[in-house]
Amino acid sequence: GIQVEQSPPDLILQEGANSTLRCNFSDSVNNLQWFHQNPWGQLINLFYIPSGTKQNGRLSATTVATERYSLLYISSSQTTDSGVYFCAVSTNTGNQFYFGTGTSLTVIP
Amino acid sequence: GAVVSQHPSRVICKSGTSVKIECRSLDFQATTMFWYRQFPKQSLMLMATSNEGSKATYEQGVEKDKFLINHASLTLSTLTVTSAHPEDSSFYICSAGLGAEQYFGPGTRLTVT
Repeated sequence: GIQVEQSPPDLILQEGANSTLRCNFSDSVNNLQWFHQNPWGQLINLFYIPSGTKQNGRLSATTVATERYSLLYISSSQTTDSGVYFCAVSTNTGNQFYFGTGTSLTVIP
Repeated sequence: GAVVSQHPSRVICKSGTSVKIECRSLDFQATTMFWYRQFPKQSLMLMATSNEGSKATYEQGVEKDKFLINHASLTLSTLTVTSAHPEDSSFYICSAGLGAEQYFGPGTRLTVT
């Protein structure tokens, strides 16, 4: 099956700093989403981004499907950004999403 | 829009009993829903695809007789953990698709004692 690796696994930032999270996948995908999992376990949709670049406030994402990676940028980080960030992909054979290994982000004041 | 609910949010049961978890799409219809489980400090693992009006499709290694899935309507899928054991304790999350995007429920934390 498809392998989805995220880096770094853990990240500690000072409030106000910027960061880049990476998602590499091993096969062609037709869908890719980024999620933030809050401390209660709820997955919050951040971006649906099978290709191209999108921005939403302090967050932006870029997917280069031909090179099998996606990046999530967080600028001017806040303590409320803390949590685990997952990318998830769907292959061309179905709509099931396969999750990456996750990046645990801690933003300290 | 695109809200998915789960019930219950938390359940504690004794070993050997069965537990049913409901997943509902509140403001849209979903012919397909998905069930995942997540152990502490780990990622989400896809368990099965729930198809409205037909049998579920299980991922390799997931026991279909232990994790019974029923998708009786376009807005409701249920996961029943039969004869639960402590190793089944986990966080169970469902999702439903609207267009190309997946939307996730808030999860159900199952503890088997």
